[in-house]
Amino acid sequence: GESVGLHLPTLSVQEGDNSIINCAYSNSASDYFIWYKQESGKGPQFIIDIRSNMDKRQGQRVTVLLNKTVKHLSLQIAATQPGDSAVYFCAENRGQGAQKLVFGQGTRLTINP
Amino acid sequence: DAGVIQSPRHEVTEMGQEVTLRCKPISGHNSLFWYRQTMMRGLELLIYFNNNVPIDDSGMPEDRFSAKMPNASFSTLKIQPSEPRDSAVYFCASSSRALNTEAFFGQGTRLTVV
Repeated sequence: GESVGLHLPTLSVQEGDNSIINCAYSNSASDYFIWYKQESGKGPQFIIDIRSNMDKRQGQRVTVLLNKTVKHLSLQIAATQPGDSAVYFCAENRGQGAQKLVFGQGTRLTINP
Repeated sequence: DAGVIQSPRHEVTEMGQEVTLRCKPISGHNSLFWYRQTMMRGLELLIYFNNNVPIDDSGMPEDRFSAKMPNASFSTLKIQPSEPRDSAVYFCASSSRALNTEAFFGQGTRLTVV
């Protein structure tokens, strides 16, 4: 029979535009969140992280926003480039005293020239 | 540092055979994770170790799966006997609990069971 794969949300943006990728997490006790980028054939690569005592953190061209009230996380990428095309995952730490990272389903970002 | 090193990169085996995946974490990291990635289920945490001790193996799908970490620089994930539904990309990751850092992933092992 036909196999049904995980349907990844997709986002297409024009090169140079800003992109926002969203993620909902489920565990209100999670205290640490990470965004990862995964390119085809490679392992997930760290982008930026944020702890639960913060609501915003900025890196180079990336900003992560955390809204604990609605358990929502977003990743903003400024001035997107072709190399930003990848699948982006948010991960939450559900461990207590140790990291137990649980990943979301991922969003595929495509940068159009 | 060379990062997390996994071997082999690709493995093709016949159903019923034993498969052993290997991982060398980043030196100095004391937490190690095994993940499985499939189209159907995404990225799943199978098991993780802290200071070579398994902390949570609730993600291990069946008794056919086992993982060991005999020392701080080496871990294995074994599947015996393997089945076609085990076909996936298996990732190992490590982190430093003391530094409270993110997990660094290896390049993965693509397993195909025919």
